[in-house]
Order: sequence, then structure tokens, then C-alpha cells
Amino acid sequence: GAVVSQHPSRVICKSGTSVKIECRSLDFQATTMFWYRQFPKQSLMLMATSNEGSKATYEQGVEKDKFLINHASLTLSTLTVTSAHPEDSSFYICSARDQWVNPGNTIYFGEGSWLTVV
Amino acid sequence: DAKTTQPPSMDCAEGRAANLPCNHSTISGNEYVYWYRQIHSQGPQYIIHGLKNNETNEMASLIITEDRKSSTLILPHATLRDTAVYYCIVRGISGSGNTGKLIFGQGTTLQVKP
Repeated sequence: GAVVSQHPSRVICKSGTSVKIECRSLDFQATTMFWYRQFPKQSLMLMATSNEGSKATYEQGVEKDKFLINHASLTLSTLTVTSAHPEDSSFYICSARDQWVNPGNTIYFGEGSWLTVV
Repeated sequence: DAKTTQPPSMDCAEGRAANLPCNHSTISGNEYVYWYRQIHSQGPQYIIHGLKNNETNEMASLIITEDRKSSTLILPHATLRDTAVYYCIVRGISGSGNTGKLIFGQGTTLQVKP
């Protein structure tokens, strides 16, 4: 299947700093990528839909100024957690839609990125 | 997107078939049924999807009822490595104003036991 890669897989940052997580589609073009957050023992929560060349669409309750999303190319989307706080510590997962595969445009997920804010 | 209902947990003996049910009674005609699984501390893994016909691939089989209101994911010979949370998701076809995003429920935690 298609491959989606995230980097870094684990990151520890100090409270008040910003941290960037990258999501790359390695063997397909993705006009749309999705960012999720997952707390321990909970399901994945969709944060935003990232569209190449345009602004991201955020889900209700997600602060767009805190979670900056950039999708500058068809293979790369980035999530920047700004002014991170300990409560932002979580497992962040991206996914990408292979626009050329039909039907249903199967979505593939990255390996996830563990963020710990100390 | 339609809501799905899954049992919170199931056990299965190693080597036996694991049958994971999913109810999606409000599914609409252009919505697919997708199955993903998540092994601890990893990103979700795509398993299979279908619209109305039964589907089979190297990982699993998907049986969709004729009225499309429920489906069953079948792992024919479960192994210990199949222990994971399995998510059944109904998703519209992308395009026509639909991003095709996946909304996750709580899923079914499948425990394969030796």
C-alpha cells in the first residue's frame, strides 16, 4: 500500500516553545491530508483537514492559531504546535488521501508522532 | 457521515476466525464501509473497504448485508499479531464537496489469545 511518513516519531519540548511535525506521502500525491490527535486509551480525534495550496479546515474546538497547518506541496503537510503546554502532550497522527486511486480514495496513515511537553 | 456501532471488546483464540461486527443503520447510498486497525502506539492500518459487495483481500474479508445496515470483518486465521483496536468507519466518496475524511469511533479491541 501507499506510504505516509511522519517526522519526528518522538519529540520532547519545553513548555512555551513551538514544535513542528512533518507528514509526507512518499509514493503518491496527496491534495488532502488530515491531522489527528490521540490521547491515551482514547480514539483518534480529527483536528483539521489540510488542503494543498489553500487554508486548512479546522474541526470545531480546535484552535487554528495554536495548531498551524501548512500544506505547501502535494507530498508534504506540516503541523506546528505553537506555545506548547503539557496538556498538548499527545500522539499526533497524519493521514493522506491518494487522489488518483478510486473508488473511495483510500486514506493512508503515518506512523504517528509522540509529543511530550515538559 | 453515518455513525457506526461496534462492541467495545472481543476475544478470539489464536488460529480461529475472528468475526468483528459493525452496525451502520444510517448509511447512505454513496457511503463506503472502511475498516482500519490500530496496534498499540502506531498509526492506523488500512484493512479493507467495500460499498455493497463482499470483498476479500490478503488481510481479511468484508461481508456487507444486503440492506447495507451492518457489516462483518473476518480475519480467517487470527494470530497474536492481530491483537489491536479495529475501527469500522463509514465514509462518503471524496469530491462533490466531500473531503472524504475519516471520523473514528471507539472501535473494538480484539484480543487474540494463545
